[in-house]
Parts: sequence; C-alpha cells; structure tokens
Amino acid sequence: SQKIEQNSEALNIQEGKTATLTCNYTNYSPAYLQWYRQDPGRGPVFLLLIRENEKEKRKERLKVTFDTTLKQSLFHITASQPADSATYLCALDVYSGTYKYIFGTGTRLKVLA
Amino acid sequence: GAGVSQSPSNKVTEKGKDVELRCDPISGHTALYWYRQSLGQGLEFLIYFQGNSAPDKSGLPSDRFSAERTGGSVSTLTIQRTQQEDSAVYLCASRDLLAGVPYEQYFGPGTRLTVT
Repeated sequence: SQKIEQNSEALNIQEGKTATLTCNYTNYSPAYLQWYRQDPGRGPVFLLLIRENEKEKRKERLKVTFDTTLKQSLFHITASQPADSATYLCALDVYSGTYKYIFGTGTRLKVLA
Repeated sequence: GAGVSQSPSNKVTEKGKDVELRCDPISGHTALYWYRQSLGQGLEFLIYFQGNSAPDKSGLPSDRFSAERTGGSVSTLTIQRTQQEDSAVYLCASRDLLAGVPYEQYFGPGTRLTVT
C-alpha cells in the first residue's frame, strides 16, 4: 500500500544546532515533494518544494534533499531557534489526473533555549 | 481576500445532527481542497475541486460526507448524522494553478468539530 512516514516521536534539539527531519514514502513516484510547517491551532504553511529531478533546495536556514532512489526526503533547519518549534509535514503532490496531495503525519520539533 | 477563511472556528454538535462547514478561498484560486486532521494525525484528504471539473471525492470517508463549491468560490462541507469519530479539525486549502508557484496550498485556520 502507499504510505508516507515521518518520525512519529517528537524531536528535541538544542538551540543553534541543526535539526534534521525525515520523510520516507513507499509505492509513490511523486513529481515533487513539499514541506509545510504547522503551529498549534493553525493550518499548515508552505515552506519549500523540491522536484523529482532536484537533489537539493535551499531557502535561508532551510534545506531539503530528495532521493528518489531511497524514496526519502530530508528537511534540515540550521542554526535552529526556539521559534522554529512546530510540527513539520511533508506532502507528495501525486498527479493522478488531479493534483491530489498526500501528507505525512508530521514530526513535532522542539528547539530548547 | 487576504487569506483562506473558514467558519465556524469551533463547532460542538450532538451525535446524529447535521453540520455545515464553510470555506472562503483566496479570490481567484481555482483549486480548493478539504482535509481532516484528527488529534496527532496527519492531514487526511477528503475532496478536491478544480474549476468547473467534476470534484475528486475519493477521500470522503462515507456517504454522510458531501461538499459543494458554488460559483467556483465558496465551498461548504456537510456532514450528515454526525458520529463521534467525525470529531476532528477540518481544514480547507486553496491553490492557484495558473500563475507563479502553482503548487503551494494556502490553508485556512480550520474548523474544530466536536461531536458529543
């Protein structure tokens, strides 16, 4: 069956360190993969998109990698700050006649001051 | 509008009652999505509208769930004969497929539904 997995347990890291979140998928061949941030009581907010033919994408302190052979994306936040504490969701934009998104369950990140 | 809006923000209803949830997408966005998020879970796709095309209803969990999008803008998600397992946050998102970055979804704040 098709599945997207993210670290189910919360990730706690010290301020200033690099946070690395993992998104693994099976039985998909996504054209692109996206990362969203969700704060409690709010809807997700788009952060980055990476296409299947891209290995890496950067935006400020954020970096996303995409390995279509391993079927894995890594999401890095460098020089992490307490304000980065949130849940991070990965999503596959799978074209199947319609642009339907499949989301992972999310990983809760807590950056400790 | 400035963003996607949803109403009500919270809804408490008794089991067996019908509820309607409303979504106002960003003006001009051609695509509209409904998702459900249960406590500690990811987003579960429910339904997708794109322009005048027939909606993709493949995520609706039962025939108690239905949705409409009038005039290509406002959408209403209706849940009939609510059950306790329907309790969740219902999120709406819109997307512009015609310009700029066509893949980003803009989410509303959600409606928290509690069925007692």
